[in-house]
Amino acid sequence: QSVLTQSPSVSGAPGQRVTISCTGSSSNIGADYDVHWYQHLPGTAPKLLIYDTSTRPSGVPDRFSGSRSGPSASLAITGLQADDEADYYCQSYDSNLSGSVFGGGTRLTVL
Amino acid sequence: EVHLLASGGGLVQPGGSLRLSCAASGFTFSNFAMSWVRQAPGKGLEWVSSISGSGGSTYYADSVRDRSTISRDNDKSALSLQMRSLRVEDTATYYCARGDWNEYFQYWGQGTLVTVSS
Repeated sequence: QSVLTQSPSVSGAPGQRVTISCTGSSSNIGADYDVHWYQHLPGTAPKLLIYDTSTRPSGVPDRFSGSRSGPSASLAITGLQADDEADYYCQSYDSNLSGSVFGGGTRLTVL
Repeated sequence: EVHLLASGGGLVQPGGSLRLSCAASGFTFSNFAMSWVRQAPGKGLEWVSSISGSGGSTYYADSVRDRSTISRDNDKSALSLQMRSLRVEDTATYYCARGDWNEYFQYWGQGTLVTVSS
């Protein structure tokens, strides 16, 4: 059981918008610790997509955006493309565990 | 260009030991904290351990604390993870990543597979 909770799967048609949620608690996201998002295709290295809740690293298209509200955070992807199909993970710091924690991952399927 | 290459994985029996290595290039290694993150088959990502840029501070997840030692050689731009008393549940792909225990992981290597089985 992951400390951060994500829906196991989400899907959308090309061109549509999807959101992936990440729910934490008062010892991580709810304590205002930053949230980060990664894109992971099986067999490859995970890729940082969003850091510090809403900042995109250089090279990440603005179709990807992050936000937070209370103990939850969200990743939005607009203009879905076939190569967006991947697993997406949220990550934060947890003060009870004194370390980084990840969500269980959400598999995005582009229909 | 930042490049991280993990190696050292393999098949080991329960109770055995293994040393993972990560060769880094493309950045000033000593300026950055480094970490190990793993992914068990069919599971999500799990932070394992981190070490500061100087090597003076180390951090471990409860699941590996007391069984693992993270270290680095800044002269060789190399990161290591010594794992002992390995358990079946340590079976995973281990990724080295640039980043600290309480921040984000900006760059990741390809990963090395550790299989603990009799």
